[in-house]
Amino acid sequence: QKEVEQDPGPLSVPEGAIVSLNCTYSNSAFQYFMWYRQYSRKGPELLMYTYSSGNKEDGRFTAQVDKSSKYISLFIRDSQPSDSATYLCAMTLIQGAQKLVFGQGTRLTINP
Amino acid sequence: NAGVTQTPKFQVLKTGQSMTLQCAQDMNHEYMSWYRQDPGMGLRLIHYSVGAGITDQGEVPNGYNVSRSTTEDFPLRLLSAAPSQTSVYFCASSYGTGSNGYTFGSGTRLTVV
Repeated sequence: QKEVEQDPGPLSVPEGAIVSLNCTYSNSAFQYFMWYRQYSRKGPELLMYTYSSGNKEDGRFTAQVDKSSKYISLFIRDSQPSDSATYLCAMTLIQGAQKLVFGQGTRLTINP
Repeated sequence: NAGVTQTPKFQVLKTGQSMTLQCAQDMNHEYMSWYRQDPGMGLRLIHYSVGAGITDQGEVPNGYNVSRSTTEDFPLRLLSAAPSQTSVYFCASSYGTGSNGYTFGSGTRLTVV
């Protein structure tokens, strides 16, 4: 069983829809949670970063962490065609924070 | 400010050949890592470094070597290429503990035939 599970999709939604992307994990020691966005043939870029449980909002993006359920989510409001990309969740321990563990990535397409 | 620069962008190797993937960053980051990305597998950590002269193995280190003689550079060496090493390789760097996320390079697409 992978430490971090992410539905690979693909996920296709109409422009303006609310998108929910999710990851589950098995290691309760993970403390730092990240979402990366990766456009085709590009490197991942950091989208959101959260520490421990709770919500964090940045414009149209909201990251949510539920450590009791070992579940993290990324919500995209008012989705745009430019949001079409692969979204990767990643997490790490407090110590050894240089070692990121990634989910498989979800490919998202926003249709105009 | 170039960020993380990886060369080459594309490479085709024959089985058994060796090569070095280059990675350089100009952000004075202490932490650097190499990941490989395969379909359906996400990114997997190959080797990482917490500073010049210090390296350690990640999840999939076999067949790869690294060294870190300067803060800026972190090359990845394939000792004897195998078809299983066909992948996209990403180098990443981070400031401090790395918990605030890494900056990734644009990747090297490697095919071993």
